[in-house]
Amino acid sequence: AQTVTQSQPEMSVQEAETVTLSCTYDTSESDYYLFWYKQPPSRQMILVIRQEAYKQQNATENRFSVNFQKAAKSFSLKISDSQLGDAAMYFCAYWGGANSKLTFGKGITLSVRP
Amino acid sequence: GAGVSQSPRYKVAKRGQDVALRCDPISGHVSLFWYQQALGQGPEFLTYFQNEAQLDKSGLPSDRFFAERPEGSVSTLKIQRTQQEDSAVYLCASSLGASAGGNIQYFGAGTRLSVL
Repeated sequence: AQTVTQSQPEMSVQEAETVTLSCTYDTSESDYYLFWYKQPPSRQMILVIRQEAYKQQNATENRFSVNFQKAAKSFSLKISDSQLGDAAMYFCAYWGGANSKLTFGKGITLSVRP
Repeated sequence: GAGVSQSPRYKVAKRGQDVALRCDPISGHVSLFWYQQALGQGPEFLTYFQNEAQLDKSGLPSDRFFAERPEGSVSTLKIQRTQQEDSAVYLCASSLGASAGGNIQYFGAGTRLSVL
């Protein structure tokens, strides 16, 4: 079964600085997708970034980028120039194989210090 | 609609009551998913619909949980004889195509269920 592990429950970053959120996963599939979702206090999950496993190039979306290490099964999210609005819970998620579902990690709470 | 809409946003039930949670997906979205999110945890899959067909219900925790999507649009998640362990946020998501990693899932704001 696929598993997603986020071992850091909380992180803090100074406004305008850079922070990296870690995620590891386990799968026997060769073709899959990985996601980072943001969940603010309003509870609505918002997609931050998506990575296709067969693409070697790391995905980027403005201030957000990933470091995808397929052999190590690692998928970290880097947030540059952190803003107060980045404060939220961040979830790493996996989709792959014949599954019809996303498998989520436990999440990490990111706080941004002004 | 502009996004996935869920109602009610909050529901308080006495233990043993039945509850019904509604999800209105983005118009035209084929796939609809229900997830359960316990406090401080990540969402866990409950069930998946492609149009009106329930193709995967492997995540439903017991036969007290039932979901339907009779016309391939609005979906209802029903929980019978609620118990305290059912307290959680129930999230609905929809995606444009059939379930695949290339299809982004868009989430609603969820229904927070508290069973007293």
